[in-house]
Amino acid sequence: GESVGLHLPTLSVQEGDNSIINCAYSNSASDYFIWYKQESGKGPQFIIDIRSNMDKRQGQRVTVLLNKTVKHLSLQIAATQPGDSAVYFCAESLGSQGNLIFGKGTKLSVKP
Amino acid sequence: KAGVTQTPRYLIKTRGQQVTLSCSPISGHRSVSWYQQTPGQGLQFLFEYFSETQRNKGNFPGRFSGRQFSNSRSEMNVSTLELGDSALYLCASSLAGHPNTGELFFGEGSRLTVL
Repeated sequence: GESVGLHLPTLSVQEGDNSIINCAYSNSASDYFIWYKQESGKGPQFIIDIRSNMDKRQGQRVTVLLNKTVKHLSLQIAATQPGDSAVYFCAESLGSQGNLIFGKGTKLSVKP
Repeated sequence: KAGVTQTPRYLIKTRGQQVTLSCSPISGHRSVSWYQQTPGQGLQFLFEYFSETQRNKGNFPGRFSGRQFSNSRSEMNVSTLELGDSALYLCASSLAGHPNTGELFFGEGSRLTVL
């Protein structure tokens, strides 16, 4: 598959457990944040987003938490499944600019 | 609805050559962004086009260029290829043309290997 990082942090979880993937973002002025999932051989796929005026947002089996004080973002995946195995990227954006700044990624490995 | 289509999926070039990559956005999407993905640097923004105009540009040398056509299809070109240009080049499209106002949809990328 497509290489997304030789030295990525790796999180290994048991199927059915909850996963928490953390991300430290770089710009305190960033006002929009997104989590992407990238499976081998595929492009990044949108999971969930959150704006800086919120500190929590929930989707289907996923929750994103934003702590602006320490510039920290986390993605929680409930009842992790083998299909969740992928590399997860956080990305930030500043309202005045039109691009995303991606983190280095975390590889999630789900053991059946 | 067809997704973002990138061609070619894989290509091999030698140093000094040039390459053109193509991206067809999702129908109705007017914004196209390009990103370079490498193991060492991760995903880095190259440029973004909206309605045939480059609106934003990342920190890449002038060897990297792009354009967008009236049908929103986009191409990027890399001239005088260097070994370090080996990467996965990802194209993403969106309706609104700004990541703060809409989801970016990525293609599967063009894998460039420079020998």
